[in-house]
Amino acid sequence: DAGVTQSPTHLIKTRGQHVTLRCSPISGHKSVSWYQQVLGQGPQFIFQYYEKEERGRGNFPDRFSARQFPNYSSELNVNALLLGDSALYLCASSFLAAYGYTFGSGTRLTVV
Amino acid sequence: SQQGEEDPQALSIQEGENATMNCSYKTSINNLQWYRQNSGRGLVHLILIRSNEREKHSGRLRVTLDTSKKSSSLLITASRAADTASYFCATDGNTGNQFYFGTGTSLTVIP
Repeated sequence: DAGVTQSPTHLIKTRGQHVTLRCSPISGHKSVSWYQQVLGQGPQFIFQYYEKEERGRGNFPDRFSARQFPNYSSELNVNALLLGDSALYLCASSFLAAYGYTFGSGTRLTVV
Repeated sequence: SQQGEEDPQALSIQEGENATMNCSYKTSINNLQWYRQNSGRGLVHLILIRSNEREKHSGRLRVTLDTSKKSSSLLITASRAADTASYFCATDGNTGNQFYFGTGTSLTVIP
């Protein structure tokens, strides 16, 4: 059974550009969360979606947005990229949040 | 901040020794989880302990939780070189739908 898959694995963008990151959860998992991990830090919560509805949002600017599709896959969009957006973006899925999350391997975003 | 804070920040031990790392948090929780991360890759879920539990075991892992002190510890017994990784605690801040990670403990196990 496939785990959480994220694409692309690596990405280089220029300041001011827009980026879309994709995540496919484990089959049967309806909850998807996004985290940003800057080098040397712990992951920071960005969004959580459950049954296609936003259930939580972290302290990130409106340049960050996300959505969840009917098949429970999800996209994270970041507009007007800044150098500080360079990070590992992690997607995690869960059957129920209280049972713990399974993380994907992440997308390494570099903004130059 | 509702983040957990791990202690120590870095730990280096010999293979076969036990490794203990601690986590402190600030708000009430429903549960606390420990994750492992190898070299900036995805996180691997190790163990979840609920707020009404005091101790939990999984293989060579032992986790304790003291809600009165808002702290948890992770013990890895008989460490192996493959245990070399960063370890994070994550708390749900009683919301249940988002988790807050600390800055992690970097564990190095020397063969």
